[in-house]
Amino acid sequence: GAGVSQTPSNKVTEKGKYVELRCDPISGHTALYWYRQSLGQGPEFLIYFQGTGAADDSGLPNDRFFAVRPEGSVSTLKIQRTERGDSAVYLCASSLGSPGATNEKLFFGSGTQLSVL
Amino acid sequence: QKEVEQNSGPLSVPEGAIASLNCTYSDRGSQSFFWYRQYSGKSPELIMSIYSNGDKEDGRFTAQLNKASQYVSLLIRDSQPSDSATYLCAVNRRNTDKLIFGTGTRLQVFP
Repeated sequence: GAGVSQTPSNKVTEKGKYVELRCDPISGHTALYWYRQSLGQGPEFLIYFQGTGAADDSGLPNDRFFAVRPEGSVSTLKIQRTERGDSAVYLCASSLGSPGATNEKLFFGSGTQLSVL
Repeated sequence: QKEVEQNSGPLSVPEGAIASLNCTYSDRGSQSFFWYRQYSGKSPELIMSIYSNGDKEDGRFTAQLNKASQYVSLLIRDSQPSDSATYLCAVNRRNTDKLIFGTGTRLQVFP
């Protein structure tokens, strides 16, 4: 596709439920990032994939959060037993390579607004 | 201490003025620095990157980096109302691939 696609754009769920958020990166981009952004805050790093593997998952807040990228393209962020504090915009971004090493631009999707009631 | 700090603003400047946005970072090993613009309800978009000390100019935008002071800034010349947005500073530490963002500075340019 032309840009990073995230679905759904909005997700409302109840406390304790399980949710999956999907990210379809720009074709050919090997690097994929998940960030979380709360109102009035900057994006908070969650996890980074290079290809199929999670190269850095140090930002995942706890074991309720998990992400996969089985074929090196589409990624799914999974949240178990959702809590009200999980409510935020979940942003996905992709780049051809590492933004630090190669001056590669990070392209963000429009995000998924998650609301946990 | 946050790893990347910005004044949340709002910073209000008149149209045509220079807007100066500032950012400090705590990790002296940081190597790459970025400014993103985020309009309300939209996703961030990259406007400038800088890697070495000094100034880097791109159109109306100038990024300035001082690694000794752990300080990076963004100047916007001839500010326009369309520049009104939140400006996010992001830092990439050496040997990592993740960008750490500040909380952003909200800029308001009034006619």
